[in-house]
Amino acid sequence: QVQLQESGPGLVKPSQTLSLTCTVSGGSISSGGYYWSWIRQPAGKGLEWIGRIDTRGNTNYNPSLKSRVTISVDTSKNQLSLNLTSVAAADTAVYYCARPTPSERAFDIWGQGTMVTVSS
Amino acid sequence: DIQMTQSPSSLFASVGDRVTITCRASQTISDFLHWYQQKPGKAPNLLIHSSSSLHSGVPSRFSGSGSGTEFTLTISSLQPEDFATYYCQQSYTTPRTFGQGTKVQIK
Repeated sequence: QVQLQESGPGLVKPSQTLSLTCTVSGGSISSGGYYWSWIRQPAGKGLEWIGRIDTRGNTNYNPSLKSRVTISVDTSKNQLSLNLTSVAAADTAVYYCARPTPSERAFDIWGQGTMVTVSS
Repeated sequence: DIQMTQSPSSLFASVGDRVTITCRASQTISDFLHWYQQKPGKAPNLLIHSSSSLHSGVPSRFSGSGSGTEFTLTISSLQPEDFATYYCQQSYTTPRTFGQGTKVQIK
């Protein structure tokens, strides 16, 4: 079955760019026409949807982050990526990639998450 | 953005108790409402989608109901493995938004 794995630096300096990759295994990122999402969760807090992309490159971003976020997809590598610019301590969180159900409603497949700390 | 508000934020319950969690949307979302369970250090797991549809492999003690702006998640008989945090989420529109979570703790 499809599995997701996030990867990237665990520590990013303030004002720099956070870059993460989500690798899809057990299936093709291109099959099914899904929108693949990034979601984050600060320690002890709730979940925040960052944005999503389909394999044609169509994106939707959370307006609260839109000016700093870019999500891209590389179908040849079966990966999606997240770039978040000008990070601050408030961006410290566990970052998840997730895939919705075929109806594009709920998220039924999640990566294990990767912790990113913003600190000098 | 559609705001999702859960109540209570936390609750204490015993094994065997019936537990109900409420989620309210700031505007109507039809049945585009889903419930997740999250345990410490783990990603959320989908329990219920589309308000009342049990996700594959989820025990039948979990159920969901509601439409429009008010929704409930019910655990009919709480089991030890159910102590966790529960989140609702709407997919009626973007940005997708989640409730703040309800932590179910052992009494």
